[in-house]
Amino acid sequence: DVVMTQSPLSLPVTLGQPASISCRSSQSLLHSHGNTYLSWFQQRPGQSPRRLIYKVSNRDSGVPDRFSGSGSGSDFTLKISRVEAEDVGVYYCMQATHWPWTFGQGTKVEIK
Amino acid sequence: EVQLVESGGGLVQPGGSLRLSCAVSGFTFRSYWMNWVRQVPGKGLEWVANIKDDGTDKYYVDSVRGRFTISRDNVQSSLYLQMDSLRVEDTAVYYCASVQRGFPFDYWGQGILVTVSS
Repeated sequence: DVVMTQSPLSLPVTLGQPASISCRSSQSLLHSHGNTYLSWFQQRPGQSPRRLIYKVSNRDSGVPDRFSGSGSGSDFTLKISRVEAEDVGVYYCMQATHWPWTFGQGTKVEIK
Repeated sequence: EVQLVESGGGLVQPGGSLRLSCAVSGFTFRSYWMNWVRQVPGKGLEWVANIKDDGTDKYYVDSVRGRFTISRDNVQSSLYLQMDSLRVEDTAVYYCASVQRGFPFDYWGQGILVTVSS
């Protein structure tokens, strides 16, 4: 199985400041037909997960533009340009190139 | 409004069976892959199973293959997870979801707790 490794696992941030989460995969996530199926999910306390980003850098509907994704191959990043209070929660990267789809361990974002 | 509503969870003894259901409304169910994802309380997410829109292809994580069966009813717009030979380590909140890997389509249920304990 593809192992997804996130860092850091805990991220205290100041409101209005940027935040960045790294995700590395144990093998390339480039699919044979040219797409890279790397997604980012947000799970707020007490809520179901919600996807923010699909195929590395594409925002899902309704996702604020302060969230952005980048990367290629096996190295990816989620950035929040200016953290807001509603961004508190756990963020997971997930690969859907290889079965079984696998998640990272999660990064807990909290306000300092 | 899109809704995914899980039912059928609860307490079961090790070795027992449980069938989860997910009633879907608000989108054309028969056109999309469907998924089950689980989460041990306080822990991370684990993808459990996927089923193609027409039900012909199914994928499972190794830890449940041979014990769990994903299925769907495109007339009733319902997704199912038959869970047999349950183990203590299957204890988790199970989410019904429709996450399409290549385009912006992502919907989740509220989750349902399955507890396997004697």
